[in-house]
Amino acid sequence: EDQVTQSPEALRLQEGESSSLNCSYTVSGLRGLFWYRQDPGKGPEFLFTLYSAGEEKEKERLKATLTKKESFLHITAPKPEDSATYLCAVQGTGGFKTIFGAGTRLFVKA
Amino acid sequence: ETGVTQSPTHLIKTRGQQVTLRCSSQSGHNTVSWYQQALGQGPQFIFQYYREEENGRGNFPPRFSGLQFPNYSSELNVNALELDDSALYLCASSLETSGSYETQYFGPGTRLLVL
Repeated sequence: EDQVTQSPEALRLQEGESSSLNCSYTVSGLRGLFWYRQDPGKGPEFLFTLYSAGEEKEKERLKATLTKKESFLHITAPKPEDSATYLCAVQGTGGFKTIFGAGTRLFVKA
Repeated sequence: ETGVTQSPTHLIKTRGQQVTLRCSSQSGHNTVSWYQQALGQGPQFIFQYYREEENGRGNFPPRFSGLQFPNYSSELNVNALELDDSALYLCASSLETSGSYETQYFGPGTRLLVL
């Protein structure tokens, strides 16, 4: 069964303190791995789609990488406005079901 | 380009009642998926509609049902509401073309409270 596990559950950083969020996944053939940002009470906001191992994508202070078993979301010199929950999701080739992890809650203090 | 919209934003119902949530997909998208997100959890896949037919379903009972209309908008219907149905309901749209998968874009959600 397809599965996504995110760690840590919560992460507290000082402004400017770089770190990484982890997403481990099990899927029967990867169709795509997705990163979203979600602010409290709002819908997830799309960040990245990764399709194959070795792929990397960047957007401002964020960089997503992908291996055959996990993905990392690297945050460089975070700012307080980066505080949010970051969700990882996968879709396998076996169907149209998208599986989400529980998310990592990021808190960045000024 | 118009993004995904959902209505209503908030809803309060009592146990046993029925509810209908609505979603308008992003311009140019032909596929709609619905998710349930409990507090502190990731979204859970309910089902997906493509060309007005359900083409994938998660582990939700039959009292969760849906529709997709010719303009690709969609409804989620939940019958016999239970307290555990209280959650944020999210709609996401995407463009499916000959098996090629495109990214899903989410609406702001409908917060449902069942008393």
